[in-house]
Amino acid sequence: GEDVEQSLFLSVREGDSSVINCTYTDSSSTYLYWYKQEPGAGLQLLTYIFSNMDMKQDQRLTVLLNKKDKHLSLRIADTQTGDSAIYFCADDSGGYQKVTFGTGTKLQVIP
Amino acid sequence: DTGVSQDPRHKITKRGQNVTFRCDPISEHNRLYWYRQTLGQGPEFLTYFQNEAQLEKSRLLSDRFSAERPKGSFSTLEIQRTEQGDSAMYLCASSSSGHSNTEAFFGQGTRLTVV
Repeated sequence: GEDVEQSLFLSVREGDSSVINCTYTDSSSTYLYWYKQEPGAGLQLLTYIFSNMDMKQDQRLTVLLNKKDKHLSLRIADTQTGDSAIYFCADDSGGYQKVTFGTGTKLQVIP
Repeated sequence: DTGVSQDPRHKITKRGQNVTFRCDPISEHNRLYWYRQTLGQGPEFLTYFQNEAQLEKSRLLSDRFSAERPKGSFSTLEIQRTEQGDSAMYLCASSSSGHSNTEAFFGQGTRLTVV
């Protein structure tokens, strides 16, 4: 079945850029997503990219998609302490917005 | 509309008891999903409704689990004879099948602890 993999942990200093990486196995995805989950809170959609795009920029967020290698990344510029959270990569390989999530990357921002 | 609402937020139950959770989706959304998230993992798909029809169930959804969406609005997820392994966060999400829609909106979840 579909598999979405992420590294478990990333630590960066405030003001630096963060890059969170993800690999996926199913090439039939239409959209790929990045969700943010803060302690005690629900999942918040940060951004998404359509599968025929290579890059999408949204303020401090840049998403890069390499379809050939099935690799997705999220870059957060000027990382702030409020960015500390778990970030999930996900895709809709199941269709009808049914989402397959990665294991999540915990981002720790050091002041 | 305040988004997807789930009730209760927390539930502690003894092993062997039945529990029921409720999800109220965003009012104009015809699609509704249940996910389960265990500690340190990403959410895993459980089941999906379009209107009142349950169109897909994951193999994770054992016979002790049942979900309903009787009028195509709110949904309930019942777990019978709970086991300690059922302890998890149960997330509900909703979306619209409209052409331009790309996003499922998630509720804050119901955290179940089976003791």
